[in-house]
Amino acid sequence: LAKTTQPISMDSYEGQEVNITCSHNNIATNDYITWYQQFPSQGPRFIIQGYKTKVTNEVASLFIPADRKSSTLSLPRVSLSDTAVYYCLVGDPNTGGFKTIFGAGTRLFVKA
Amino acid sequence: DTAVSQTPKYLVTQMGNDKSIKCEQNLGHDTMYWYKQDSKKFLKIMFSYNNKELIINETVPNRFSPKSPDKAHLNLHINSLELGDSAVYFCASSQDTRGTGTYEQYFGPGTRLTVT
Repeated sequence: LAKTTQPISMDSYEGQEVNITCSHNNIATNDYITWYQQFPSQGPRFIIQGYKTKVTNEVASLFIPADRKSSTLSLPRVSLSDTAVYYCLVGDPNTGGFKTIFGAGTRLFVKA
Repeated sequence: DTAVSQTPKYLVTQMGNDKSIKCEQNLGHDTMYWYKQDSKKFLKIMFSYNNKELIINETVPNRFSPKSPDKAHLNLHINSLELGDSAVYFCASSQDTRGTGTYEQYFGPGTRLTVT
């Protein structure tokens, strides 16, 4: 399983775009990149998943360069309610959900 | 409607006791999981279960056992509770990710277990 490295914490202000980068130098050919969000006292929530280039949904965008050794979660115009921990996961879902490995995550603080 | 629910939300008990945490999902998923989140907020998978197989994280003590009466339920039984078992336990569900190409799991609200 590919190890991931993320910043421990980040600060932002309301209305700004936030980019959280995850390093995964040992990513394997069949691995996908998945991001989860966890609010205090709640379970993690799936945000987005991608394999290469760019993926966008109603919540975020995920940018993956050609070498796939890193990825960037982009949150447009954050609000106070986006304060949470964001986890980057790398793995092959076709090997089974048991392979879901959460790292330490990035704590995002959004200020007014 | 709550997709994945857990009971109780809080559980305070003494060392040596046996306790259970219940989990139910109404998403029609075929795979359920239990995770433990410790005081440092690291989230570690304990079990994965569907009607075909049970996968156990080898680091989980055998005092912990999952029990599934049916596809929508996966309960967690803990025997002889220890201080170190204090944590938040999350249940989750998904379709069997094999063949789906997605890691999307749906998590319950968590059960905060405190062992005194």
